[in-house]
Amino acid sequence: QQQVKQSPQSLIVQKGGISIINCAYENTAFDYFPWYQQFPGKGPALLIAIRPDVSEKKEGRFTISFNKSAKQFSLHIMDSQPGDSATYFCAASKRQGGSYIPTFGRGTSLIVHP
Amino acid sequence: KAGVTQTPRYLIKTRGQQVTLSCSPISGHRSVSWYQQTPGQGLQFLFEYFSETQRNKGNFPGRFSGRQFSNSRSEMNVSTLELGDSALYLCASSADPGTGTQYFGPGTRLLVL
Repeated sequence: QQQVKQSPQSLIVQKGGISIINCAYENTAFDYFPWYQQFPGKGPALLIAIRPDVSEKKEGRFTISFNKSAKQFSLHIMDSQPGDSATYFCAASKRQGGSYIPTFGRGTSLIVHP
Repeated sequence: KAGVTQTPRYLIKTRGQQVTLSCSPISGHRSVSWYQQTPGQGLQFLFEYFSETQRNKGNFPGRFSGRQFSNSRSEMNVSTLELGDSALYLCASSADPGTGTQYFGPGTRLLVL
């Protein structure tokens, strides 16, 4: 059972365009939603994260939109650049034993053409 | 500060063998988590250690185990390796796991033949 569904699996965008990646979750116990960026040969790096008490969070060109009632959240990358080409993972985390334990989406491979 | 380091970076083993992977967290971080990343199953949580105690465990068989030392360094062991254990094993550390913020290392690529 896939608790966090991520789409699309792959995405091709032109330089300067907007990249949009969507995630949906089922378990209402999740209350921390990070996005990670992973380049080949590297570990995932935290990009931006949101908690369910806000509907949107923006950091530079990256924005998370969160819809609690629909149990969906999305990552928008504005003015996409070739250097943004990477795999992006959403995660939904729940508090357990004093820590947040993430459940990851399957990832989106983003290619930004120059 | 130096980031999370993992050794070795690459490893080849045969079925039935055991393997130990090592992770050194960012200085001052007391929480270390381990993840398995495969093309088929994606990124999955293995376990978390905090102050030398396993605090959380994912849904993996008992062949997967770990420990944390007093300096917060952690090791992960997989016994009786199976072909399906071939994966990228990632370690992440956190200064305050109650915030959800964690930093990943580059991973150890394990190939089981």
